[in-house]
Parts: sequence; C-alpha cells; structure tokens
Amino acid sequence: AQKITQTQPGMFVQEKEAVTLDCTYDTSDQSYGLFWYKQPSSGEMIFLIYQGSYDEQNATEGRYSLNFQKARKSANLVISASQLGDSAMYFCAMRESGNTGKLIFGQGTTLQVKP
Amino acid sequence: KAGVTQTPRYLIKTRGQQVTLSCSPISGHRSVSWYQQTPGQGLQFLFEYFSETQRNKGNFPGRFSGRQFSNSRSEMNVSTLELGDSALYLCASSLTGGYSDTQYFGPGTRLTVL
Repeated sequence: AQKITQTQPGMFVQEKEAVTLDCTYDTSDQSYGLFWYKQPSSGEMIFLIYQGSYDEQNATEGRYSLNFQKARKSANLVISASQLGDSAMYFCAMRESGNTGKLIFGQGTTLQVKP
Repeated sequence: KAGVTQTPRYLIKTRGQQVTLSCSPISGHRSVSWYQQTPGQGLQFLFEYFSETQRNKGNFPGRFSGRQFSNSRSEMNVSTLELGDSALYLCASSLTGGYSDTQYFGPGTRLTVL
C-alpha cells in the first residue's frame, strides 16, 4: 500500500544555513510522482518541487532541491540558505499512476528558522 | 493567471446541518480534488472530479459528496454534520490529474461544527 513517512515532527535551522527534511515512501507502482508542499500558518498549500519516478537527475527549483534515492525510496527536501519566511509546515506527498488526482501525504515536518 | 479560489473561507455550522463548499480551479485545469485536513488525521483525500465525473474516491462516508460543472468548478457537500467534520477543507486543481501533474491548492475553507 502506498505510504509516505516523515520522521521529523519538528526541525530548527539557523538563518542562512541549509536544512534537509526527510521523506521515505512506499509503493509497488513503477510510475509515480513525488511532491513537496509548504504550508504556512495561513493554511494554504504551496507547491515547491516535483520529482518523477523515471527522472534520473535530482530536481531543483531555486533554493529547493530534492535528494532522490530511488533504491532507498527516499525523497528528501534540501532548502539552502534558509530564510525567516521558510518557517512553516512541510509536506511530502506521492501520487501513483493508477490513482488519478489523489495525493498521499506524510504527517509533515514543522520547520522553524532562527534569526 | 488566477489561482484556485475557494468560498467561503470560514464556516460555522451546528451538528445535523449540511454545508456546501465551492472551488474554482485554475483556468484550463480539468481535474479537481478535495482534501480534508485535521490535526489528528492529517491530510486525507476525499475525491477527484474530471470532466464532470467522479474519477477517484477516498474512504469517507456517503455524507461527503461532490460534483463538478462543465466549467470545471466544483462543489463539495457534507450532510448531517458531525463534530468530527470540523476541519480545513482544501481544493486542488491540475491539468489532468495524472501522476506527474502538479496540483495547485486553494486557500481552504475552515469548517467548524458546534
């Protein structure tokens, strides 16, 4: 059964430093997509980055990069040069090819950036 | 391009009532999905609509229903509200709903059931 696991309920990082948020997934499907979203206290889910199961290179979007290790079934989010505005809840999510429109989410990691 | 919009943003209802939430997707997006977010259960998938048809469904009771109109706008209805239905309801849209398709979320409707 598909499942997303985020083992870090809360993380602290100093402003301007890099931080890695962990995500492992479980699926028997060969075709799937992995997504990271940010949810500030306002509640809106903001898309950050996507990695497809067939992508051989790690995805990058500005200060966000995804460390994709397919054999280990992990898709860790790396945020470089943290900013105070990065303080939020971060969710890892997955969609399988046979499950249209359905994202499975992890429990989330709360990131706090310290000045 | 305008983002996903949801109305209303906040709702307070009492047990036994019913409620209808509305979602307008990004222009050109045909897939609309609904999620419920609670502190205890996290984010859970309710259902997905594509071309006015429910194409996928999560594990929620029949009190939760939805529909999609020809312009891709979607509504979600919850009948006979229970205290446990208090949650943030998020709508998300994407072009096709395929596994590589990014979903973009609206600001959510926060429902409180008293």
